[in-house]
Amino acid sequence: DSGVTQTPKHLITATGQRVTLRCSPRSGDLSVYWYQQSLDQGLQFLIQYYNGEERAKGNILERFSAQQFPDLHSELNLSSLELGDSALYFCASSSDLNTEAFFGQGTRLTVV
Amino acid sequence: AQTVTQSQPEMSVQEAETVTLSCTYDTSESDYYLFWYKQPPSRQMILVIRQEAYKQQNATENRFSVNFQKAAKSFSLKISDSQLGDAAMYFCAYRRGGATNKLIFGTGTLLAVQP
Repeated sequence: DSGVTQTPKHLITATGQRVTLRCSPRSGDLSVYWYQQSLDQGLQFLIQYYNGEERAKGNILERFSAQQFPDLHSELNLSSLELGDSALYFCASSSDLNTEAFFGQGTRLTVV
Repeated sequence: AQTVTQSQPEMSVQEAETVTLSCTYDTSESDYYLFWYKQPPSRQMILVIRQEAYKQQNATENRFSVNFQKAAKSFSLKISDSQLGDAAMYFCAYRRGGATNKLIFGTGTLLAVQP
């Protein structure tokens, strides 16, 4: 158990819909990262938050957004979903005191 | 831009044997970290081993060790005494120094362990 909790584990939704993925980082970790793992794109960094503020942005679509709340949990919002958004979405967290990123178990999103 | 390349899409090893997974990377940074992550069929991403670029000594974690060749920008993973539970996808990853930087992953190597 990495200590990073993601909910839900599985999500099936229709095209055009909006979903929210939730992540609770390890206790004490201030940084939260979101990654997308798909068959054609591999593992790609989407966005990072540090202590409530956006710190870095990767290949995140405009239809996607994220935020980190005062209690440090984070949410990734995916809207106007397309079939190609079907993927495994990982959340990871790290502290400033080390360099390891610990991953949650991921949310498997299926868009039908 | 930094890149990570894993040239072996699939590898196979006999149980109890040794296997080496290859990884090369490209960066102009001097402060960085390298990692190997394991992703079993459960899809969980598990950190196997990490290497700081400033350390000359190769990292070791039980049966897992790395061969870090900084000048050649090579970072291979050696798994000794392979076990059935080692079967998984293995990802090499790079992270620039500093606590705020993302991981850049290679495309992965699928390791099969034959009994």
